Amino acid sequence: ETGVTQSPTHLIKTRGQQVTLRCSSQSGHNTVSWYQQALGQGPQFIFQYYREEENGRGNFPPRFSGLQFPNYSSELNVNALELDDSALYLCASSPRDREQETQYFGPGTRLLVL
Amino acid sequence: SQQGEEDPQALSIQEGENATMNCSYKTSINNLQWYRQNSGRGLVHLILIRSNEREKHSGRLRVTLDTSKKSSSLLITASRAADTASYFCATDVYQKVTFGTGTKLQVIP
Repeated sequence: ETGVTQSPTHLIKTRGQQVTLRCSSQSGHNTVSWYQQALGQGPQFIFQYYREEENGRGNFPPRFSGLQFPNYSSELNVNALELDDSALYLCASSPRDREQETQYFGPGTRLLVL
Repeated sequence: SQQGEEDPQALSIQEGENATMNCSYKTSINNLQWYRQNSGRGLVHLILIRSNEREKHSGRLRVTLDTSKKSSSLLITASRAADTASYFCATDVYQKVTFGTGTKLQVIP
């Protein structure tokens, strides 16, 4: 059973640019959640995808968008980057059909916006 | 916004001592989970306690949940240097997981 993977590991962008982060969920998991973690803070829920549909969203503006693919991998897109978007972006997968609440996290993508 | 708040924000203990972290939250929950994070990397799930449970054990970890006080505690017994990390509680309300602010634990060898 492979774990959750994320790419890239690090990324530097400039204000106003767009970025796409990728996540491969753990085998057998159909639910992916994305989190933003600013330095020294706890992760903040961005949104969740279940079977390719958005299934809940946190307090993030529409310039944060996502996709989930038929193989349950996922992308997080952020448009019009702002300096405050600098953070560690974490994705987590879970096998929702089996009603397991435990999420398995990837190592994260560290984004720096200059 | 953060649902939970951990207390203390930082804790420094000697190897072999016990470490206790507390978490308070605001709304009714389905379950509460504790996670560990080493040096800003991905989170590792430690233990899950459901809203109808009061105590749960896993190895050197003991978690309690008091839904009337909306609080939980994580006890790590016989701490080791490798336990040095940040610990977060996370509340689950219908698949929406909200993390607390974290406790930074340092175990001194």
